[in-house]
Amino acid sequence: AQSVSQHNHHVILSEAASLELGCNYSYGGTVNLFWYVQYPGQHLQLLLKYFSGDPLVKGIKGFEAEFIKSKFSFNLRKPSVQWSDTAEYFCAVKGAWGNTPLVFGKGTRLSVIA
Amino acid sequence: GAVVSQHPSWVICKSGTSVKIECRSLDFQATTMFWYRQFPKQSLMLMATSNEGSKATYEQGVEKDKFLINHASLTLSTLTVTSAHPEDSSFYICSASPSDRTGVTDTQYFGPGTRLTVL
Repeated sequence: AQSVSQHNHHVILSEAASLELGCNYSYGGTVNLFWYVQYPGQHLQLLLKYFSGDPLVKGIKGFEAEFIKSKFSFNLRKPSVQWSDTAEYFCAVKGAWGNTPLVFGKGTRLSVIA
Repeated sequence: GAVVSQHPSWVICKSGTSVKIECRSLDFQATTMFWYRQFPKQSLMLMATSNEGSKATYEQGVEKDKFLINHASLTLSTLTVTSAHPEDSSFYICSASPSDRTGVTDTQYFGPGTRLTVL
């Protein structure tokens, strides 16, 4: 069955701390991987995506993620978080071919405190 | 970048009435759009895949007669919640993805969502 597992439900960090959010997926075949962010009261925004090539992808706002195929993982990282990074983060996967829907993880709430 | 809009952004209705939600891709054509539902503090759950010019494909457990989907053009899909009840109150989100002829798809772009409250 297709699924995405995000290990942390709620992460609380101080400003300037480093962030790593775990994401593992189960999906047959070649995949595209995404991280979306949802700020309070706002809609989903794309942080970054992996389609092919370099498994280390850089996104907006200093975020990056590494695709490790052998581990079926796509963890999100940021070296130094800011208060404005407080949001809900969703990992998602879809098949690489065809217009297939995204399968989302349950999300990780990040709270950054000053 | 690609923009997807939804209308209305917020609707309150009485139990038993029907509500129509529109999803538009503003600067690209989308033969396929997706409808998701998000409960408070939970993830997005796919409801159905909307295909232009054909019937929608519903996920298991989603009542097709209750959630009517019409994809009338390459830029518009509508979701109608018929005979809405309080348990239908939720955040409904659509997404669309430009696709080229080879079948390789681009990123899915999400609408801002529609918050439905059924009294």
